[in-house]
Amino acid sequence: DAGVIQSPRHEVTEMGQEVTLRCKLISGHNSLFWYRQTMMRGLELLIYFNNNVPIDDSGMPEDRFSAKMPNASFSTLKIQPSEPRDSAVYFCASSLAGHADTQYFGPGTRLTVL
Amino acid sequence: DQQVKQNSPSLSVQEGRISILNCDYTNSMFDYFLWYKKYPAEGPTFLISISSIKDKNEDGRFTVFLNKSAKHLSLHIVPSQPGDSAVYFCAASGGGGGSNYKLTFGKGTLLTVNP
Repeated sequence: DAGVIQSPRHEVTEMGQEVTLRCKLISGHNSLFWYRQTMMRGLELLIYFNNNVPIDDSGMPEDRFSAKMPNASFSTLKIQPSEPRDSAVYFCASSLAGHADTQYFGPGTRLTVL
Repeated sequence: DQQVKQNSPSLSVQEGRISILNCDYTNSMFDYFLWYKKYPAEGPTFLISISSIKDKNEDGRFTVFLNKSAKHLSLHIVPSQPGDSAVYFCAASGGGGGSNYKLTFGKGTLLTVNP
């Protein structure tokens, strides 16, 4: 079975540009998590969806960040406009019913904003 | 303020010896603890977990110990193998308010196992 799929794996963009990160959940999973990893703050939860509904977006840094689940198997994380401080590795993870011990992570997208 | 702390950024051990990775937490509401392993260019993968009602959980070469009074947990790998070289993250969940889905991660410890 395919694991969590993220695209692109690497993204380099200039400040002010819109960035869209994509995530495909594992088939049958119904919970989706977006994380951000930085040297300063480590791995942080940005947003959690359950059955396509955002349950907890308290980790979303500011209004420049938005996340959607247009269907049960796919999610996007958009940053508009992007800033250099958004440079990080962004992971998505999926699970069944949101159980913490069964979160399966994708390989991540390394974002660099110049 | 970090609620989960891994104070050793790195650890180096010889193949065949024991690796001990440590983790401290401050939130007494945490009731479930996990260790994740991460190789370069990959996402974290779940390794082993422990509930707060236990003080030890073992899975093959991996054992996690929990000391609730000290708010401390450790991961023991015996014997260590070169393939164990990776970053190990400690994580905790159950911080109250129905947030059992929410994992709070430490910053990780880079383990290097030398042949």
